[in-house]
Amino acid sequence: LAKTTQPISMDSYEGQEVNITCSHNNIATNDYITWYQQFPSQGPRFIIQGYKTKVTNEVASLFIPADRKSSTLSLPRVSLSDTAVYYCLVGDSGPAGNKLTFGGGTRVLVKP
Amino acid sequence: NAGVTQTPKFRVLKTGQSMTLLCAQDMNHEYMYWYRQDPGMGLRLIHYSVGEGTTAKGEVPDGYNVSRLKKQNFLLGLESAAPSQTSVYFCASSYWTSGDTGELFFGEGSRLTVL
Repeated sequence: LAKTTQPISMDSYEGQEVNITCSHNNIATNDYITWYQQFPSQGPRFIIQGYKTKVTNEVASLFIPADRKSSTLSLPRVSLSDTAVYYCLVGDSGPAGNKLTFGGGTRVLVKP
Repeated sequence: NAGVTQTPKFRVLKTGQSMTLLCAQDMNHEYMYWYRQDPGMGLRLIHYSVGEGTTAKGEVPDGYNVSRLKKQNFLLGLESAAPSQTSVYFCASSYWTSGDTGELFFGEGSRLTVL
């Protein structure tokens, strides 16, 4: 079962780039890395997913080194509305299927 | 297209009472999950299902039972509620692909209080 470790919290200011690193030392060969965002009183929502190297979409970039033991979510030019909890998720494709467990998440506070 | 719908959204129970949370999805997804989230904490996986008629235990399955009689529905039952089960419960569903973690689609949550 691939476990993830993230910083508990981080602060930033509007317009800055935020980088959150997730450690997943036991990632399996076929596992993908996915990041979710959660606002208070809402369910998490998908941000980005990747397997290796770099993935970019309209809201974020995901950097994955060759050994895949960590990954970094990059949020460019954050705004106040990016204040949320961010979760790194690594799929566990065991015999019983995709047992998706979340870590503790990183609470990001964007200040004016 | 409603996505993932959870009922009820709020419920107050007394210790020892039973109840069932219903999760319904209209996306024809194979996988469905039940998570609980305590205040200020991350999500913990209770049970999940990889298809109609199948269920599997997650990280914290004790005190809960589940059933997936129809592909679109995933029920979470509490046979004898305890105050420690006071939490927000989230249901999620996803399509299945080998290795690739399909995007999880979450419901709005069900807030349960056990007195």
